[in-house]
Amino acid sequence: AQTVTQSQPEMSVQEAETVTLSCTYDTSESDYYLFWYKQPPSRQMILVIRQEAYKQQNATENRFSVNFQKAAKSFSLKISDSQLGDAAMYFCAYRSGNQGGSEKLVFGKGTKLTVNP
Amino acid sequence: GAVVSQHPSRVICKSGTSVKIECRSLDFQATTMFWYRQFPKQSLMLMATSNEGSKATYEQGVEKDKFLINHASLTLSTLTVTSAHPEDSSFYICSARGMGYSNQPQHFGDGTRLSIL
Repeated sequence: AQTVTQSQPEMSVQEAETVTLSCTYDTSESDYYLFWYKQPPSRQMILVIRQEAYKQQNATENRFSVNFQKAAKSFSLKISDSQLGDAAMYFCAYRSGNQGGSEKLVFGKGTKLTVNP
Repeated sequence: GAVVSQHPSRVICKSGTSVKIECRSLDFQATTMFWYRQFPKQSLMLMATSNEGSKATYEQGVEKDKFLINHASLTLSTLTVTSAHPEDSSFYICSARGMGYSNQPQHFGDGTRLSIL
C-alpha cells in the first residue's frame, strides 16, 4: 500500500519570505500523481499544485512550486513571497495513475503553516 | 469552474438520528465521487468511492450499513449516517472527479461538521 509522510507537523515563515514543506512517499508503482492541498480554517480543501510522475519538469503555479525527486520519492512544496493568506494546513497526497487502479487519494498527516507578519 | 457544493455545512442532532449529507457537482458531471472523514487535527481518510449508477466501494473497516451512499445522478451523491452515535461525530468531506480519468483532479466540497449529542 502507498504511504505519504509529512515529517513537519508545524512550520512558520515570515511574510514575504520563502518556506519549503517536505513530503515523502512510498510506492511500487511507476505511474502516479502527486498533489498538494491547502486546508484553511474554513476546512475547504483547495488544490494548490499537482505533478504527474512521468513528467521530469517540476510543476509551478505562481508562487508555488515543487521539487519532485522521483528516485528519492520526495515531493516538497516551496512557497515564495509568503502571504498571510497562505496560513493553513497543507496536505501532500498521492494517487495511482494505473488504469483500472484505485483513484483514492492517500494523504499525509499535514503540515500546519503559520505566516508571521 | 469545477465547483462542488456540500450540504449541510453543519449538523447537530441527537443520538439515534439518521443524517443525510449531499454532495453536488455544480458545473461539471462527476462519474465518481469520494467521501472522506477527518478527525480533529488529523488527515483525511477515504471512506468510500461512489460511482454513478452502481454500488459504492467501501474502504476496509467502514461499515456499509452504517454509512449509506447513493450516487443516483452524474451531479449528486449522498451519504447517510444511519442511527448516528457520538463516535460518528466528525468532519465529512466529499470530492468529485470530472468525466475522463487520468488528468482529472478531485475537487472538494466545503465539508460537513457532524456533531452527535
